[in-house]
Amino acid sequence: DGGITQSPKYLFRKEGQNVTLSCEQNLNHDAMYWYRQDPGQGLRLIYYSQIVNDFQKGDIAEGYSVSREKKESFPLTVTSAQKNPTAFYLCASNIQHYSNQPQHFGDGTRLSIL
Amino acid sequence: GNSVTQMEGPVTLSEEAFLTINCTYTATGYPSLFWYVQYPGEGLQLLLKATKADDKGSNKGFEATYRKETTSFHLEKGSVQVSDSAVYFCALTYSGGGADGLTFGKGTHLIIQP
Repeated sequence: DGGITQSPKYLFRKEGQNVTLSCEQNLNHDAMYWYRQDPGQGLRLIYYSQIVNDFQKGDIAEGYSVSREKKESFPLTVTSAQKNPTAFYLCASNIQHYSNQPQHFGDGTRLSIL
Repeated sequence: GNSVTQMEGPVTLSEEAFLTINCTYTATGYPSLFWYVQYPGEGLQLLLKATKADDKGSNKGFEATYRKETTSFHLEKGSVQVSDSAVYFCALTYSGGGADGLTFGKGTHLIIQP
């Protein structure tokens, strides 16, 4: 079945440590997205990528970095500069960025501070 | 810019009650509209969609009609079940450019009591 796989499901970060969240899709989608969800809040866009080797900042990019070396993969690194990283992180994809079709979502990664 | 406003929750209903979750939007052009559902600890699943005015999206007993004159996309279900307990997000996307993927409402937490 086609879909989006996020790993790990749970992740713990120590102070001063960088951690990387994985997102892989086999839908042959060009566009991929990272969102952050805080308890009782909506989704906020961190970064997005319209095509391989291209990405743009979203609304809350500070303290995060991404890469898009392959069409299938869009990893998110939470750096030590992100002072409040505890949240639920969701990866999504779409056939194209400018599309009237819905995004597909992974099952999320929950990141906590040790 | 684009925005989506949802009624705040939590919304608590008894089983078999009628459900309405209000959603209104602000957007340029002619956006596509979506309802997503998020069960505890999971990612977002597309519930239904409508891509043009007067379209009615429906799925699993839920319905929503794209009303351009009132810029609304209210979610309804005639008889809710305990299994419908989840967070519901209204969202829009605009294929005409200038938008960063999906714009989400803050979500409405629905609790159905037996």
